[in-house]
Amino acid sequence: DARVTQTPRHKVTEMGQEVTMRCQPILGHNTVFWYRQTMMQGLELLAYFRNRAPLDDSGMPKDRFSAEMPDATLATLKIQPSEPRDSAVYFCASGLRTNQPQHFGDGTRLSIL
Amino acid sequence: LAKTTQPISMDSYEGQEVNITCSHNNIATNDYITWYQQFPSQGPRFIIQGYKTKVTNEVASLFIPADRKSSTLSLPRVSLSDTAVYYCLVANASGGSYIPTFGRGTSLIVHP
Repeated sequence: DARVTQTPRHKVTEMGQEVTMRCQPILGHNTVFWYRQTMMQGLELLAYFRNRAPLDDSGMPKDRFSAEMPDATLATLKIQPSEPRDSAVYFCASGLRTNQPQHFGDGTRLSIL
Repeated sequence: LAKTTQPISMDSYEGQEVNITCSHNNIATNDYITWYQQFPSQGPRFIIQGYKTKVTNEVASLFIPADRKSSTLSLPRVSLSDTAVYYCLVANASGGSYIPTFGRGTSLIVHP
């Protein structure tokens, strides 16, 4: 069964440090999404790619967050510098096409001290 | 932007049918309605998707009225393992882009 793979599963670091989260979408999927989940805000869309091109990142704080897809098998989400309020679970999801069901990874649980 | 509204929580008992309704008054013509299930420490998992009328698969049914302003996820004969958070998702088409917006979800607790 094909799965979206996210690394690391857990990350604890001090504020001010750079954090990089990685995602391997399902082979053949051309849409990739990054979400952040917190108790207060629920699931929030941060960025969305189609065919590796960024289509929407309006939900992402641009001053510290960046999302890229260097190739079709890797998506990255970086935070620099990190802040305690960035503590959350970050999910990556991929889909065959826009409006098709998304397949989620198991997330990266990030704690910024 | 299309916004979804669901009950915050529901309780049920094993063997009962559970219906969870989501309202999405501003749904756009091209939007599909998708439901996901999420267990603790896992990512959401796709359950069912539909556009109109009724869709059924091996785990659930989805009922969508003609005006498409709401949808109802029906879980037949729930078990303890169906305890999870259920999200309905309606995409927001804006200028040709696709902006999926999840609601806050419904926490379903199934009791023995």
